[in-house]
Amino acid sequence: QKEVEQDPGPLSVPEGAIVSLNCTYSNSAFQYFMWYRQYSRKGPELLMYTYSSGNKEDGRFTAQVDKSSKYISLFIRDSQPSDSATYLCAMSTYNQGGKLIFGQGTELSVKP
Amino acid sequence: SAVISQKPSRDICQRGTSLTIQCQVDSQVTMMFWYRQQPGQSLTLIATANQGSEATYESGFVIDKFPISRPNLTFSTLTVSNMSPEDSSIYLCSVRSGSGTETQYFGPGTRLLVL
Repeated sequence: QKEVEQDPGPLSVPEGAIVSLNCTYSNSAFQYFMWYRQYSRKGPELLMYTYSSGNKEDGRFTAQVDKSSKYISLFIRDSQPSDSATYLCAMSTYNQGGKLIFGQGTELSVKP
Repeated sequence: SAVISQKPSRDICQRGTSLTIQCQVDSQVTMMFWYRQQPGQSLTLIATANQGSEATYESGFVIDKFPISRPNLTFSTLTVSNMSPEDSSIYLCSVRSGSGTETQYFGPGTRLLVL
């Protein structure tokens, strides 16, 4: 079993839709949770960061962490064609020397 | 945020040869990381490179195959040695954000195809 599971998609939605991206994990020691966005032929770009459980909102993006269920989500409101990219969840534990464990990535396409 | 550049951006190599990838950061950082992203796969950490010490390799990666140099606080190289088609991948370097979090900034990646 992989430490982090993420539905690879692809996911196709119409412009303006609400997008929900999810990851599950097995290591209860994970405390730091991140979402990265990766455009084609580019490196991953940090979108959201959450420490421990709870919600965090930044513009059209909301990150949720449910440590009891070992489940994290990223919601994108009013999705735009420019949101078309691969979204990767990543997580780590305290004192893991900086090692991030990534999900497989979900490919999202927002159609105008 | 740190600005990270990598050279080359892409390359096509013959099996049995070696390629050295360079990573340059616009600020001094203690730790640099090298990841591999195989087609359709997640990013996997190869090794952590600290300036002035030997790199620390993750399980499944060995120094003979992926030697790393870290001559100063802004630069690192990763060599992919004796390449085979299975080494075709995107290689990414990253650095910690330094904001007290565990987040990292990534370079644009080096796309390697081994024939």
